[in-house]
Amino acid sequence: DIQMTQSSSSFSVSLGDRVTITCKASEDIYNRLAWYQQKPGNAPRLLISGATSLETGVPSRFSGSGSGKDYTLSITSLQTEDVATYYCQQYWSTTWTFGGGTKLEIK
Amino acid sequence: EVQLQQSGPELVKPGASVKISCKASGYSFTGYYMHWVKQSPENSLEWIGEINPSTGGTSYNQKFKGKATLTVDKSSSTAYMQLKSLTSEESAVYYCTRSRNYYAMDYWGQGTSVTVSS
Repeated sequence: DIQMTQSSSSFSVSLGDRVTITCKASEDIYNRLAWYQQKPGNAPRLLISGATSLETGVPSRFSGSGSGKDYTLSITSLQTEDVATYYCQQYWSTTWTFGGGTKLEIK
Repeated sequence: EVQLQQSGPELVKPGASVKISCKASGYSFTGYYMHWVKQSPENSLEWIGEINPSTGGTSYNQKFKGKATLTVDKSSSTAYMQLKSLTSEESAVYYCTRSRNYYAMDYWGQGTSVTVSS
């Protein structure tokens, strides 16, 4: 199976910060990469698909980039409502896999 | 409005089976794959498998073959997942979620908590 590694399991940020979350696949996933946001008690919410395509209704402060094995989720000017856990997920191989998640906390 | 409404929490004994339902509304049920995802207490996410509601064809994560069985009832736009021979390792929240072919999972159910305990 393709392994998805999010280098940071958590980090503390300040409101208004620019935040970058990274995700590395164990092999090329050809941009078949999604980012999800999950808040406690809720299901994951799809933010970005195809590595860079923002889903309808997702604020433009969210963006995705990357190719090959390396991908990034960026949040410009972090808002209170962005405090959550973020997961990357590949849908290139026949067995889909998730990263371990990156939890954002306010300093 | 797209909705995936899952059945309620389950408390089951070790060795038993459980069947979770996911009723879809607001879209063409046969036009999207239905996936099932496990979220363990430590919050890790695992893809269990998918079913094509149009054909009934399935694809499973090797880890869950023999443990999970995915089915659908097209007449009621409902997807099901049965888990058998349950152990404490299966205590988790299970989500149904849909996707178009070769696309990410865009709508999710609210999750069903399964607790395996004697």
